[in-house]
Formats: sequence, structure tokens, C-alpha cells
Amino acid sequence: GQQLNQSPQSMFIQEGEDVSMNCTSSSIFNTWLWYKQDPGEGPVLLIALYKAGELTSNGRLTAQFGITRKDSFLNISASIPSDVGIYFCARPVREGAQKLVFGQGTRLTINP
Amino acid sequence: DADVTQTPRNRITKTGKRIMLECSQTKGHDRMYWYRQDPGLGLQLIYYSFDVKDINKGEISDGYSVSRQAQAKFSLSLESAIPNQTALYFCATSPLGGGDTQYFGPGTRLTVL
Repeated sequence: GQQLNQSPQSMFIQEGEDVSMNCTSSSIFNTWLWYKQDPGEGPVLLIALYKAGELTSNGRLTAQFGITRKDSFLNISASIPSDVGIYFCARPVREGAQKLVFGQGTRLTINP
Repeated sequence: DADVTQTPRNRITKTGKRIMLECSQTKGHDRMYWYRQDPGLGLQLIYYSFDVKDINKGEISDGYSVSRQAQAKFSLSLESAIPNQTALYFCATSPLGGGDTQYFGPGTRLTVL
């Protein structure tokens, strides 16, 4: 019931390539969050999505709230070395709970 | 200065020892959380507190306890540490009525030998 399935678990790409990752849930929710964890740091919120079909950008990052409300996608265009880190999707345990459940994370490694 | 600080940043201890990890925040947020991160498992909620007199168990509270000494301070204790508690621990805060956004500290890497 509370699981978020995030894929892929890891990615090894060349600098300049585009990146795509996704997250699926068995339940329908009204919020999707994407966090990034830099090496040696805590996660930082990148993008928040609140409406099915919503497409939101933050620089080279674009996230979409799936139309089924059970999935979300994060894309990074023209990757650069500072994009290295672990990307987590997250959503509330239930609406209004102020508690989050996180995906397993996607570890991104970039070869210069 | 960082808004959410954690001490220590790294700790190595032995099985059976009592350990306390501390978290302080200057954001003025009411809600504070403790998470554990293991490779490939994401972040799992240990305990959370919505105000000074409120303590709630998360997904994996066994073997842990917490204390909310003040609005700005939330401590996590391992009464008798065991090797499978070796992990990265994060504190996070969230403002009342601030939606679902949480702000994380830099983490404490704990190794139990």
C-alpha cells in the first residue's frame, strides 16, 4: 500500500546526455515531489507537482504528474557534472498527513 | 549558517553502546522528523514530532527513541546500538501549514561495529 517504485536504480551516462527516471505508486495521490541528494548532503526539494497532467520545469529539470495520478517522471536535459547525486520521488503517506514516503532513489553518475 | 544542523556528522561506535544524535533548526518550523537511509531503500521514517509535546512512531521505530527538548531541537537515541543500525541518519523539518515540503539536515553517518 505505501510502496513507491522508482526506476532505474542507477544510471551511468556521458556528460551532455538527457536523463529520464520515473516513479510509480499503487495508490492515487494528489502530490508528487522530487528531491535531489548531493553527495554528503541531505535531500533538497527540486520540484513539487499537485495536479494530474501537470508539467513543471526547474532549469534543465522537468517533472510531470502522470495522468493516471499513479506515476511521475523526471527528466534532465543536457546533463552536467553537478547533476550527479541521488534523485528521490516522494509523496504524502496520505492526503494531508504531513508525512512522506520515498522511492528507493535513482543514483546518477556522469562521465565527463 | 545552515538552517538544519546535525551533530555529530560521523560516529563510529560499538555494539551495545548508547548513542544520541542531535538535530537543531533555526527555521522556526513546528514539525521535525528523523529518517534513516540505507543503500537502495530510500528514506525510512523513524519518528516524527508535530510540536514540543507530540511524539509519533514512524515506519521503523524499534530500537530507537526520541526527545523533543524544544521547538528547535529533536534528538534521536539508540539505547543499545547494534550493527544493523549502521546507516545514514537525516533530520528534517516542515512548517505548520507548509504543505508537504520538508527541509533536510546534512546527515549523520553512524557505524556500529
